[in-house]
Amino acid sequence: SQWGEENLQALSIQEGEDVTMNCSYKTYTTVVQWYRQKSGKGPAQLILIRSNEREKRSGRLRATLDTSSQSSSLSITGTLATDTAVYFCATDDQGGSAKLIFGEGTKLTVSS
Amino acid sequence: ETAVFQTPNYHVTQVGNEVSFNCKQTLGHDTMYWYKQDSKKLLKIMFSYNNKQLIVNETVPRRFSPQSSDKAHLNLRIKSVEPEDSAVYLCASSSDWGSQDTQYFGPGTRLLVL
Repeated sequence: SQWGEENLQALSIQEGEDVTMNCSYKTYTTVVQWYRQKSGKGPAQLILIRSNEREKRSGRLRATLDTSSQSSSLSITGTLATDTAVYFCATDDQGGSAKLIFGEGTKLTVSS
Repeated sequence: ETAVFQTPNYHVTQVGNEVSFNCKQTLGHDTMYWYKQDSKKLLKIMFSYNNKQLIVNETVPRRFSPQSSDKAHLNLRIKSVEPEDSAVYLCASSSDWGSQDTQYFGPGTRLLVL
């Protein structure tokens, strides 16, 4: 498997706090995509960061990629209750098919 | 703005029945996908079509079959449902095939097999 064996992680924070979610992957990837899935909806992409980038920002979001440790993070500053969702990272499948492999997700709950 | 449409939203059926789910995208994309999402939110790709050609066919039971009439439509048929098929089925599309492209998801079809 591309991913470790962790189950769906859960984080609960208060509105206004900052949060960082991490994921690690086992094999080389050319890209990490971060998606957010709100209740009853399909996932929606937040940020795409390529292997030659160390950091990428979009509004309150910041993604990092460390290819040497095969890990990526997504930070949200000044969280809002509307940030409540499950967050996924996804990487290449280096088996040759170039498909996207989704990690197991982090369930973030932001209380107002 | 929703551009990937799925029907039905929710379907309840008995073991052994046949079900069919529809997906349409209005983004003009060449690639479409079906994913299965289990109760732990794990997303697993099942099939992918690029320009109406099947390019990914994961190890799924043979009772699952994708059906593509044109680049904008990709349906999923399950011939004889089993209890373990209960899940959310998500359709997605991207402009081209590959991990570099953003995937746009529909809202999903929730299947409950009794």
